[in-house]
Amino acid sequence: NAGVTQTPKFQVLKTGQSMTLQCAQDMNHNSMYWYRQDPGMGLRLIYYSASEGTTDKGEVPNGYNVSRLNKREFSLRLESAAPSQTSVYFCASRGGDRGNQPQHFGDGTRLSIL
Amino acid sequence: AQSVTQLDSQVPVFEEAPVELRCNYSSSVSVYLFWYVQYPNQGLQLLLKYLSGSTLVKGINGFEAEFNKSQTSFHLRKPSVHISDTAEYFCAVSVSGGSQGNLIFGKGTKLSVKP
Repeated sequence: NAGVTQTPKFQVLKTGQSMTLQCAQDMNHNSMYWYRQDPGMGLRLIYYSASEGTTDKGEVPNGYNVSRLNKREFSLRLESAAPSQTSVYFCASRGGDRGNQPQHFGDGTRLSIL
Repeated sequence: AQSVTQLDSQVPVFEEAPVELRCNYSSSVSVYLFWYVQYPNQGLQLLLKYLSGSTLVKGINGFEAEFNKSQTSFHLRKPSVHISDTAEYFCAVSVSGGSQGNLIFGKGTKLSVKP
């Protein structure tokens, strides 16, 4: 029961470096999401993909890009990392086409930018 | 627009005591309501959800929540907590009938259970 798998689990970058966070789900879900979690801020939506081939901005998209590679995979890219992007990043997926289905989360990627 | 307020950022409680974690939401349309739990260094796990029907919802690990439409609240309760319940708890809403299923999260409540 893999569910939602995120790689890597930890990463340290220098300011200005680029990186792609990978996410894959094996539940045949249509929708996928990227969040960041910062202390005292809860989870904030960066980007989401309601279906294969579509992506939309969330609450905090600046400095990020995403790719919905296929139905299973949804990647998040930092083109030029900044210290303000130090955070824990979570990927989630959801089945069905209504908001009544819960989202399933990966274990997160802990990213530090020096 | 929807918003979620978790009224307590931290809740300390002794083992075997009851606990209530408070959640209020704001929305001009009908919503679905969720509680998630996050154990240290892990992702979020669904505790329970309210979609419609009975306002008292039972979830995993002995937790339950009550939907109160007039007070726009969805408080989480457990009659007797264990050390293993120490975690951060998030309340979230999504718009009923919305096709995107985007969740709006509260800022979380850290439950600390002491022996």
